[in-house]
Amino acid sequence: EVQLLESGGGLVQPGGSLRLSCAASEFTFSGYTMSWVRQAPGKGLEWVSAIGSSGDTTFYADSVKGRFTISRDNSKNTLYLQMNSLRAEDTALYYCARDDVAMLRGVRVGYYFDYWGQGTLVTVSS
Amino acid sequence: DMQMTQSPSSLSASVGDRVTITCRASQSISSFLNWYQQKPGKAPKLLIYAASSLQSGVPSRFSGSGSGTDFTLTISTLQPEDFATYYCQQSNSPPHTFGGGTKVEIK
Repeated sequence: EVQLLESGGGLVQPGGSLRLSCAASEFTFSGYTMSWVRQAPGKGLEWVSAIGSSGDTTFYADSVKGRFTISRDNSKNTLYLQMNSLRAEDTALYYCARDDVAMLRGVRVGYYFDYWGQGTLVTVSS
Repeated sequence: DMQMTQSPSSLSASVGDRVTITCRASQSISSFLNWYQQKPGKAPKLLIYAASSLQSGVPSRFSGSGSGTDFTLTISTLQPEDFATYYCQQSNSPPHTFGGGTKVEIK
């Protein structure tokens, strides 16, 4: 069974930094795009960042661009999110998720998150 | 960036009801639309991908339809375990925006 296990969350002061990790197992990690999604307390889901299977392509939400860096180590089956210049509005449960792709007759017809971790809580407060 | 608008934001329904949730994209996303279910304290669960494809293991009472800008998630006969919050998500282009969610509550 595919497993994604996040870690690294905690309490940090505004302006501080944290690095989240997501350890993946039971699938070929290097074959998949991976993403981070967050959820502020009592709020909806917010897509944060994604990284291609080899690590050479990255995408960010405008709300975190320039402050967060996504990376991966395929030799360790681990996804990372380096978060700098943290703000109160970054307080959330951070999920990692596996991206899969739907193909129809050789054409991509969808991308979706088929597996999610249980999340790690980041609290930004003084 | 793409905006995803879900409606209603909440609804009350009874077991056995037919429930429909809509999602509208601010521009065409073809069929790059997913639906997730989230229960309190749990990670989201994929229900429907590519607008109408049922994820493996998801009951057939869930169905999705639409293309372009307008999409629908239908629960044909609401079951007790279906009371949850539902989110749409576009995956046509990054950022892969989520809708605001629809909370389905017990009437």
